[in-house]
Amino acid sequence: GESVGLHLPTLSVQEGDNSIINCAYSNSASDYFIWYKQESGKGPQFIIDIRSNMDKRQGQRVTVLLNKTVKHLSLQIAATQPGDSAVYFCAERNGGTSYGKLTFGQGTILTVHP
Amino acid sequence: NAGVTQTPKFRVLKTGQSMTLLCAQDMNHEYMYWYRQDPGMGLRLIHYSVGEGTTAKGEVPDGYNVSRLKKQNFLLGLESAAPSQTSVYFCASGGGNTEAFFGQGTRLTVV
Repeated sequence: GESVGLHLPTLSVQEGDNSIINCAYSNSASDYFIWYKQESGKGPQFIIDIRSNMDKRQGQRVTVLLNKTVKHLSLQIAATQPGDSAVYFCAERNGGTSYGKLTFGQGTILTVHP
Repeated sequence: NAGVTQTPKFRVLKTGQSMTLLCAQDMNHEYMYWYRQDPGMGLRLIHYSVGEGTTAKGEVPDGYNVSRLKKQNFLLGLESAAPSQTSVYFCASGGGNTEAFFGQGTRLTVV
């Protein structure tokens, strides 16, 4: 699920499967990372976040993994449901000279089949 | 419990017209952001602010100006609209220890 130009990457899974959505971030000065879910016609909704001093954080059915060495973030969704179908974005917030700047990855379209 | 409110929700402009989009948040957040989202694309940062009276350029600032005269408001201005500025605009606010909360978006068409 990495960014590939103008077309969003897609991930199709069956209901009940686990989903993994990946994201590469660019700035080693980023100190805070967020995953968002966006449904059609709506603004992005918060799913889970992680700070740069952690490498894993778990929520309800979701887990975020952070690998600072390779600047990689992943979102794992357990027992994926049709209601999880949406576009998922990772975001990184700059903790350096441009502190507070929040930029987004290209996004991944998740489709869950019943 | 309003959160982040964007005004207007829809607007059609003629090329060359100007307009201001208003974003208001009631969560006392320090950080505020303006993004644009084109069909099938991600969110691109236009401008942002890390506190009242401060603004900074994002990834796509050309053709836009912003102001943050009050902590709760972040205004996005288009001085001379162009068809390339047709997009959905999202405002967000956040704090140092919280995620960014988004408004519902403003759908702008420039003809």
